[in-house]
Formats: sequence, structure tokens, C-alpha cells
Amino acid sequence: GAVVSQHPSRVICKSGTSVKIECRSLDFQATTMFWYRQFPKQSLMLMATSNEGSKATYEQGVEKDKFLINHASLTLSTLTVTSAHPEDSSFYICSASGPGLKNYGYTFGSGTRLTVV
Amino acid sequence: QQQVKQSPQSLIVQKGGISIINCAYENTAFDYFPWYQQFPGKGPALLIAIRPDVSEKKEGRFTISFNKSAKQFSLHIMDSQPGDSATYFCAASIWGKAAGNKLTFGGGTRVLVKP
Repeated sequence: GAVVSQHPSRVICKSGTSVKIECRSLDFQATTMFWYRQFPKQSLMLMATSNEGSKATYEQGVEKDKFLINHASLTLSTLTVTSAHPEDSSFYICSASGPGLKNYGYTFGSGTRLTVV
Repeated sequence: QQQVKQSPQSLIVQKGGISIINCAYENTAFDYFPWYQQFPGKGPALLIAIRPDVSEKKEGRFTISFNKSAKQFSLHIMDSQPGDSATYFCAASIWGKAAGNKLTFGGGTRVLVKP
């Protein structure tokens, strides 16, 4: 149980285009979704936290107009990278938390490798 | 400000040996301390977690030791196997029904188990 399905696993896009990444909680209600960015051989960097039905809270230094987060339902959250540039190339990971998870834990998606060319 | 410091950055251990990774935290409000295992190109997976009411927790070959007064916790991997070669992250958060409490991650430790 407690599975978060993240898609796509890999995406290559042209500079200036937008890319949408989806995370779905398959068997529990994700009241909170966290979005992370991870550079090679580095730790996870939290980008934003979103609660279902509310606007996302962005970490300092993260451009909210560039990284659009939608969490309109208890089972789906999306991250849209707008007007992507090569420096946005990274590994993006979602994590969900909510009632139904053992002891209100956290479960992670499998990640999306974004390459902007 | 790095609130969770993890060491070492990398570790090489022989098959059958013990891997030990240490973490130290600063925020005394933290009361949930999980360890995650991450393979290349994959998301982190929960390995084992501990709350401050116990000083040690063991699950199979994995053991967490927790020292509240020193604000330190560690992961021990017994009888290390080549399949354990991965990056390990410690993390900390404030527990509770407020599921919006975010995790603070350590910097990660790359473990290589040599056959």
C-alpha cells in the first residue's frame, strides 16, 4: 500500500516549452504533497509544499511563477515547469503524506528526469 | 542553514561488513527520524524510522540508534550485501497529525559494498 505514481519518468523538452509532471496517490488520500528537486550526487531540495485545495507554499528562492503546482484533489498533484531552460534540467521527486499512511508518514514517487535542450 | 548533518559522504565496505552512517540535528522540536535508501534514477524509499521514545530500533539487518541528549542518530547496516549499494539519507521532521510537516534531509551517504 501507500503508493505514489509519478509520471513521466523521463522527459526531454526544448528550451522555452513547458513540462507537466504528475503525481497520483493510488491507495490513500494525499492531503499534503511535497515537491523536491535533486541534482546529481546531492540531497533532496524541497521546492514547495501543497495542501489539497490550497495554494502551494514555496521555499525561499524557488520561483512560483516558473514552477506551478496544482493540488486540486486528494489523489493528484502536478508540477508544471514553465518556459523551461537548460538550467531547469534536474531530477524532480514528489512525496505525499496524509491520513491512511502508517503514522502519517511520507511516501515518495519514483522521480522524473527532466532534460531541457 | 543545514539542520541535519550527515557523515560520511561516502563509504566503502566489504561484503558481510557493517556500514555505519551518522546524523546530527539541531532542531530540538524534531521527533521523527527516518532513513531512506535511494538507487540511481529512483525516488527514495523508507528503510526504517524511529521516534525519540526509544533509543534503538531494529528491522532485519538495519538498526537505528538514537541519542536524544546528543541530538544524534545513526544507521547500522549489518552483514552488508552488494545489493545494499545505494545512497542513504537521514531525515527529520516534527511528527503529528499535521501532515504538512516537511522533512529535513541530511546530505546523503553513498555506500558501496564490495563483493
